[in-house]
Amino acid sequence: DGGITQSPKYLFRKEGQNVTLSCEQNLNHDAMYWYRQDPGQGLRLIYYSQIVNDFQKGDIAEGYSVSREKKESFPLTVTSAQKNPTAFYLCASTPVGEETQYFGPGTRLLVL
Amino acid sequence: AQSVTQPDIHITVSEGASLELRCNYSYGATPYLFWYVQSPGQGLQLLLKYFSGDTLVQGIKGFEAEFKRSQSSFNLRKPSVHWSDAAEYFCAVGRIEDNSGGSNYKLTFGKGTLLTVNP
Repeated sequence: DGGITQSPKYLFRKEGQNVTLSCEQNLNHDAMYWYRQDPGQGLRLIYYSQIVNDFQKGDIAEGYSVSREKKESFPLTVTSAQKNPTAFYLCASTPVGEETQYFGPGTRLLVL
Repeated sequence: AQSVTQPDIHITVSEGASLELRCNYSYGATPYLFWYVQSPGQGLQLLLKYFSGDTLVQGIKGFEAEFKRSQSSFNLRKPSVHWSDAAEYFCAVGRIEDNSGGSNYKLTFGKGTLLTVNP
């Protein structure tokens, strides 16, 4: 089956710890995106990548980092510098030449 | 700057009743417009999109939306709501941003409308 997978579904972070959220797609999409969702706030763009080995900051990049070493993978690291990391994180991707974003199932990050 | 407003935070309708969810956008050029639906704890599913052409667009699950340029609106409608339609609905506008690295395409989302369906 083609699609976007995110793992884990739930993730717990201790104070001062970095954690990495996985996003994988087998749709051969070029562009990939990371969003943060908080209740009543809609989705806010963290980082995006149009091609391998290149990515740009979104609206709320502080405290986050990403890499794009492979077309299929776009992992997001929530660093200890992110003081309020509890949220629902969504990954999306877009085929080349299209404007529609397709979303993964999300990862909920909780702070212990 | 572009923005999307969904004026209704929460709407409750009875099953079988008609539904209209409002969306207003602010964008200087011709927008790409989308409606997504999200069930609790899930990702977003695309309902429909408008890029150009016929201003009334049909989507999945019996939804439709109408683009009205004069009102900067893209309202979502369904003639008869089913209990399974209970979810959160997001309107989004797509835009192209030019920077030193080239053109980048982004979506701006509204804050969502939560739909409750009474039996």
